[in-house]
Amino acid sequence: TQLLEQSPQFLSIQEGENLTVYCNSSSVFSSLQWYRQEPGEGPVLLVTVVTGGEVKKLKRLTFQFGDARKDSSLHITAAQPGDTGLYLCAGGNSGGGADGLTFGKGTHLIIQP
Amino acid sequence: GAVVSQHPSWVICKSGTSVKIECRSLDFQATTMFWYRQFPKQSLMLMATSNEGSKATYEQGVEKDKFLINHASLTLSTLTVTSAHPEDSSFYICSARALAGFYEQFFGPGTRLTVL
Repeated sequence: TQLLEQSPQFLSIQEGENLTVYCNSSSVFSSLQWYRQEPGEGPVLLVTVVTGGEVKKLKRLTFQFGDARKDSSLHITAAQPGDTGLYLCAGGNSGGGADGLTFGKGTHLIIQP
Repeated sequence: GAVVSQHPSWVICKSGTSVKIECRSLDFQATTMFWYRQFPKQSLMLMATSNEGSKATYEQGVEKDKFLINHASLTLSTLTVTSAHPEDSSFYICSARALAGFYEQFFGPGTRLTVL
C-alpha cells in the first residue's frame, strides 16, 4: 500500500508570509498532483508533475517533484487570504493503467489578513 | 474544459433506502471514472475504479454489493448506495480521466449524503 505523508496538517500564518507544504512517501509515483479543495466542493487540480526534479510555477505557487519521484513540495510566496483552503497532494501510477489516486491527508491552510 | 458534474449535490434519506448518485463528464469522454469518499476533516479515500462497459474494481474493504457502480457510457457513471445506514453518511466525490495513460483526474463537486 502506497502512503503519502503530508505536512503540516494545519498552518495559520499572516498575509504576506511565505510557506511550504511537504508531501513525502517511501514509494515511487509516476505522477504527483496538487489539488486545492474548498469546503463542500470537489478538489480542483493545481498542477501535475511527472519528471523527477521537475519544478512548475503557477503565479505565487511553486511546485517541485523530488529527483526520486517520492516527494514533492508546494511553496507559496506572499500568501494572501484567498489562498486559504485545503491543499491535497495525490500520487498516481497511471502509466497506461487505470489506477485511482493516493491522497495525502491534506494541509488546512489559513491566511489571516 | 474538463468539467465534471454530480447529481444530486446533497441528499437526505432514511435508513434502509437506496440512493443513486450520478457523475457526468460534460465536455469530454471519460474512459475511466473513480469514486472517492471523504469524511469531515479527512482526505479522500478511493472506493472504486470504473471503466466504461466493464465491471468496477473495488478497493479493499469496500463492499461491492453495497456500493453498486455502473459506467454505462463514456460520459456517465453512477454510484448506488444500497440499504443505506447512518454510517454511510459522507461526502462522495467522483473523478474522470479522459484517456488511459493521462495523469490528470478532474473531480466533480461532490454529493453530501446524510442517512437518518
